[in-house]
Amino acid sequence: NAGVMQNPRHLVRRRGQEARLRCSPMKGHSHVYWYRQLPEEGLKFMVYLQKENIIDESGMPKERFSAEFPKEGPSILRIQQVVRGDSAAYFCASSPLFLTDTQYFGPGTRLTVL
Amino acid sequence: KNEVEQSPQNLTAQEGEFITINCSYSVGISALHWLQQHPGGGIVSLFMLSSGKKKHGRLIATINIQEKHSSLHITASHPRDSAVYICAVRSRNTDKLIFGTGTRLQVFP
Repeated sequence: NAGVMQNPRHLVRRRGQEARLRCSPMKGHSHVYWYRQLPEEGLKFMVYLQKENIIDESGMPKERFSAEFPKEGPSILRIQQVVRGDSAAYFCASSPLFLTDTQYFGPGTRLTVL
Repeated sequence: KNEVEQSPQNLTAQEGEFITINCSYSVGISALHWLQQHPGGGIVSLFMLSSGKKKHGRLIATINIQEKHSSLHITASHPRDSAVYICAVRSRNTDKLIFGTGTRLQVFP
């Protein structure tokens, strides 16, 4: 049973470009969470999604950031018009049906904005 | 003040030593997690606790709900235990995970 997959592992973008981060949850998991880890800081919750639904996006910046988890395919975290401050590690986690279950983390995507 | 505080921030040990990492929190929780983040960056979930104590190999995690405190113990530490250990609590109000900033552990042979 493959774990949570994230790609790309490393992503370099210039200011103003778009970044698309993908997360494939573990098989059978229908809950996906995105977290951001800024340099020298702890992880921060961004968004919680179930298939085709955004359940909680209270941690997402109001502009330029969006997330989706379509019926088919991976969850996507999209950052438009990236700025240097978006440089961070972005982690995805998934859990099975029940919200209180353990979350399984992916390896993360390290975004560098030049 | 952070809602989840860990101590110490950095910890060095000699192989074989007994290690304790502490976590205090100020919010009502439904569960507490201990995570391990290796130098490559990947995160592994070690424990999820809502009461008492759990043991897995050389790792032991305890939680005291009344005191809002948890400890992670590593017995007979080994260089491969070198990593950042992160405490995270699931807020009872919001159901979201709130993370501590981590404890960086280095175990020398």
